[in-house]
Amino acid sequence: QVQLVESGGGLVKPGGSLRLSCAASGFTFSDYYMSWIRQAPGKGLEWVSYISSGGSTIYYADSMKGRFTISRDNAENSLFLQMNSLRAEDTAVYYCARGGADQQLAFDYWGQGTLVTVSS
Amino acid sequence: AIRMTQSPSSLSASTGDRVTITCRASQGISSYLVWYQQKPGKAPKLLMYTASTLQSGVPSRFSGSGSGTDFTLTISCLQSEDFATYYCQQYYSYPLTFGGGTKVEIK
Repeated sequence: QVQLVESGGGLVKPGGSLRLSCAASGFTFSDYYMSWIRQAPGKGLEWVSYISSGGSTIYYADSMKGRFTISRDNAENSLFLQMNSLRAEDTAVYYCARGGADQQLAFDYWGQGTLVTVSS
Repeated sequence: AIRMTQSPSSLSASTGDRVTITCRASQGISSYLVWYQQKPGKAPKLLMYTASTLQSGVPSRFSGSGSGTDFTLTISCLQSEDFATYYCQQYYSYPLTFGGGTKVEIK
């Protein structure tokens, strides 16, 4: 069955960096678009970034541009999010999500999320 | 960025009720709309895409309609497992954007 397992979250000071990983299994990872979506505590969902199946097309939300970098390793069935210059407002649960086969920007499978806390 | 506005932000309903949630886009998005359900402490679950196509495995009491700027999610006969928060999301253009959510609570 499809599984997405995030890791790498934790407590980091403002201005610090963190690298999130998402290990995928149960499907042909290289066939699917992937995204990161976050949710601040008690708040709604916010899309962070998207990467195409081959990694050639990438988009970011405006507030993450220049600070976050999405990447993937199709040989290792893994998705990554490098987060630099972290701010308190980046505190959230970060989910990796798979784009659907037919509608690649409708997310049909999500991981359980990893919590990133930015605080001094 | 396209702004997605959901209403109401919360509602109280009883098991068996018919519930309708509205999502409005700040500009036309054709039918590029998704609905998710999220329960506390869990990841969102895809319910519907292209505004009205039911995701595999989702009960038929869920239905969606609309195109352009106005969309609705209807639960025809609310069940206990449907008490959750519902989000719409547009995928017409980047950045992808979500509505603020509608929390469906037990009356």
